[in-house]
Amino acid sequence: EVQLVESGGGLIQPGGSLRLSCAASGFTVSSNYMSWVRQAPGKGLEWVSIIYSSGNTYYADSVKGQFIISRDNSKNMLYLQMNSLRAEDTAVYYCASSPSKRRVDYWGQGTLVTVSS
Amino acid sequence: DIQMTQSPSSLSAFVGDRVTITCRASQSISSYLNWYQQKPGKAPKLLISAASSLQSGVPSRFSGSASGTDFTLTITSLQPEDFATYYCQQGYSTPFTFGPGTKVDI
Repeated sequence: EVQLVESGGGLIQPGGSLRLSCAASGFTVSSNYMSWVRQAPGKGLEWVSIIYSSGNTYYADSVKGQFIISRDNSKNMLYLQMNSLRAEDTAVYYCASSPSKRRVDYWGQGTLVTVSS
Repeated sequence: DIQMTQSPSSLSAFVGDRVTITCRASQSISSYLNWYQQKPGKAPKLLISAASSLQSGVPSRFSGSASGTDFTLTITSLQPEDFATYYCQQGYSTPFTFGPGTKVDI
């Protein structure tokens, strides 16, 4: 059974950094397309980033140069390093996976990141 | 970047109604269009991929279709568990943008 469990969210001051983690089980992270999708409180879904099985990475314009997606194949983990955080980065961050880059089949339960002083 | 729009933004319906939600892409995305259902406090769930391919376990009352850059999600005979927010997403090119969502309530 595929499971994705996010961790690392919390309250952070503007300008700070945070690293989200996603523990995957039931499949191999390195063989799949792994994504981060976020949802601000009361708002819609926003695609954030993806790492391909090839290792190529892509980002939404809103986070390019600010966030870094990575994975640890030995630990079967996905990460999102978030720097220079702003209030508008406040959201639930979902870890997601799929055997296809063109859709999201599996979702974690989400982790809340709140950027506030 | 490809922009996705949805209409309506919300709708009210009765159990048993036929509901249609439309999604439009700002440019051609072939048939790389997905539909997700999200209930409050829960992660989204993939319903349909590639415009019309129903995911395993999804009831057959859900269906998707495409015409050019316009895509439609249809729910025939709306059930109580279908009241949720529905999002489209294009899988044609990065960033894989979502539509703004359509909330279906009672």
